[in-house]
Amino acid sequence: GENVEQHPSTLSVQEGDSAVIKCTYSDSASNYFPWYKQELGKGPQLIIDIRSNVGEKKDQRIAVTLNKTAKHFSLHITETQPEDSAVYFCAYEDSSYKLIFGSGTRLLVRP
Amino acid sequence: GAGVSQSPSNKVTEKGKDVELRCDPISGHTALYWYRQRLGQGLEFLIYFQGNSAPDKSGLPSDRFSAERTGESVSTLTIQRTQQEDSAVYLCASSLMGGSLNTIYFGEGSWLTVV
Repeated sequence: GENVEQHPSTLSVQEGDSAVIKCTYSDSASNYFPWYKQELGKGPQLIIDIRSNVGEKKDQRIAVTLNKTAKHFSLHITETQPEDSAVYFCAYEDSSYKLIFGSGTRLLVRP
Repeated sequence: GAGVSQSPSNKVTEKGKDVELRCDPISGHTALYWYRQRLGQGLEFLIYFQGNSAPDKSGLPSDRFSAERTGESVSTLTIQRTQQEDSAVYLCASSLMGGSLNTIYFGEGSWLTVV
């Protein structure tokens, strides 16, 4: 069935270090892979997305890489700041246009 | 204006009662989604609307759950005879139209507690 595995479930880094979150999906027909950030008590917010016609996309301190052959994609946050602390979800779009989400990664950036 | 609006933001109800949760999508967005998020968990898909039709309602967990959308705008998620396991945040999202060319925007959610 439709599934996406996300690792790690929790991640603690020192301010200024990098953070990497990885996801593996099962639906080989997927072409769209967004990442969402959710702060406590708020709805998820899109931070970056990637489509299958590219292998990497960057937006300031955030980058996403995609390996369609291996069916995995990763979020990279460089020079982490305390305000990056949140829960991050990867997702992919299935054939009926809905997003299937990973289980989330709780990122803590220690000042 | 703004983004996806949901009401109520918080609802406490007694087990066995019915609840209605409302979603106002971003104006002009034809696609609307409902997700459920239990405490500390990921997002579970419930139902997807394109216009007023629901081409995918595969995530509704039981026949106690139903949703409708009218005027290609407001949507209501109804949970009948609520159970304690229904306690969760119910998130609504919308996009200009279905498909990956359009970003999906989420509301802040309706936190439901069944006591």
